[in-house]
Amino acid sequence: GQQLNQSPQSMFIQEGEDVSMNCTSSSIFNTWLWYKQDPGEGPVLLIALYKAGELTSNGRLTAQFGITRKDSFLNISASIPSDVGIYFCAGQLGRAQKLVFGQGTRLTINP
Amino acid sequence: DTGVSQDPRHKITKRGQNVTFRCDPISEHNRLYWYRQTLGQGPEFLTYFQNEAQLEKSRLLSDRFSAERPKGSFSTLEIQRTEQGDSAMYLCASSFPDRITNTEAFFGQGTRLTVV
Repeated sequence: GQQLNQSPQSMFIQEGEDVSMNCTSSSIFNTWLWYKQDPGEGPVLLIALYKAGELTSNGRLTAQFGITRKDSFLNISASIPSDVGIYFCAGQLGRAQKLVFGQGTRLTINP
Repeated sequence: DTGVSQDPRHKITKRGQNVTFRCDPISEHNRLYWYRQTLGQGPEFLTYFQNEAQLEKSRLLSDRFSAERPKGSFSTLEIQRTEQGDSAMYLCASSFPDRITNTEAFFGQGTRLTVV
């Protein structure tokens, strides 16, 4: 089945640093989504990307939909403590528009 | 609050018991999804509904699992004869894909199931 390879698996950074994570796939997706999940909670949508090459920002977050439709990246600028959590990329697939998730990137911030 | 709501948030059950979870989607969202998430992994698709019709089921959904959405609003997920391997976070999501964009799914807070 489809799989998304998300990297890095974990990041340890200082507050104020910029963060970059990415996802690649062997399959083409129509839509890429980035979610953040806090412990014991459901994923919260951060950014949705619908067109190949699209670059979208949401505050300090910027994400791009790769031109081949097989990859995406998420950047976080000037990290703050509340950015701590697990970030998931997800590709949306087919008529069902079900989501295929990456393995997640765990972000830890040292104050 | 008009987000996706799931109940209960936590459930501990003995192996062999039946459990049922409820999901209330965002109102007017016609699609409802169930996902399962085990520790350290991303969520995995289980099944989805378009209104009251269950249109797709994953191979992860064994015959001990059944989901319903009788009136096209809330949904229930039942697990019969629970096994320790069923321990996971069960997530519900809803969406309203009326056009090419705005198809994104919004998740509830999940139900954490522990089978002892």
